[in-house]
Amino acid sequence: KAGVTQTPRYLIKTRGQQVTLSCSPISGHRSVSWYQQTPGQGLQFLFEYFSETQRNKGNFPGRFSGRQFSNSRSEMNVSTLELGDSALYLCASSLAGPYEQYFGPGTRLTVT
Amino acid sequence: ILNVEQSPQSLHVQEGDSTNFTCSFPSSNFYALHWYRWETAKSPEALFVMTLNGDEKKKGRISATLNTKEGYSYLYIKGSQPEDSATYLCAPTGGGNKLTFGTGTQLKVEL
Repeated sequence: KAGVTQTPRYLIKTRGQQVTLSCSPISGHRSVSWYQQTPGQGLQFLFEYFSETQRNKGNFPGRFSGRQFSNSRSEMNVSTLELGDSALYLCASSLAGPYEQYFGPGTRLTVT
Repeated sequence: ILNVEQSPQSLHVQEGDSTNFTCSFPSSNFYALHWYRWETAKSPEALFVMTLNGDEKKKGRISATLNTKEGYSYLYIKGSQPEDSATYLCAPTGGGNKLTFGTGTQLKVEL
């Protein structure tokens, strides 16, 4: 079974630009969650999508948004990038219910 | 769920030592508790998902216990090996997959 894939793996953007990150979950997993990891804040929950609906949302500004497609693939978008958005963005997929999450390799975003 | 605390923050042990870490979380609005291992340059790897008070889970030399009434979980590693070196993260959830991760315990196992 193929694991969770994320593209791109690395990205460099300039302040004010926007960026879209993609995540393909494990086949059969309908839940996709996104996390931001920074040295200062640790691993923080952004949002979770399940069957194309946002089911949970973390404490991030509206510049962070996401969506999920009918094949469970998910994208997250960050608009008007700030230097503080530089981070590792991880997505994770899982089955419904209290099951373990399977993480992708992450996208390393650098904002200059 | 806020205020997830993990202790110790870091730990150095010798190969063969047994060790344990603590995860504390608010006991109200509890749904499940996840443990993950995160090795450098890799993705977090799920160890356990626990839901019931008194739950005990085991995977090889690693085991975990859960006390939902008092809001804590212990992770034990028996006979630590260098390959156990990683950051161990716990994450409770009040529902769905909205995990609130602790800052982790960084374990270094030395030969």
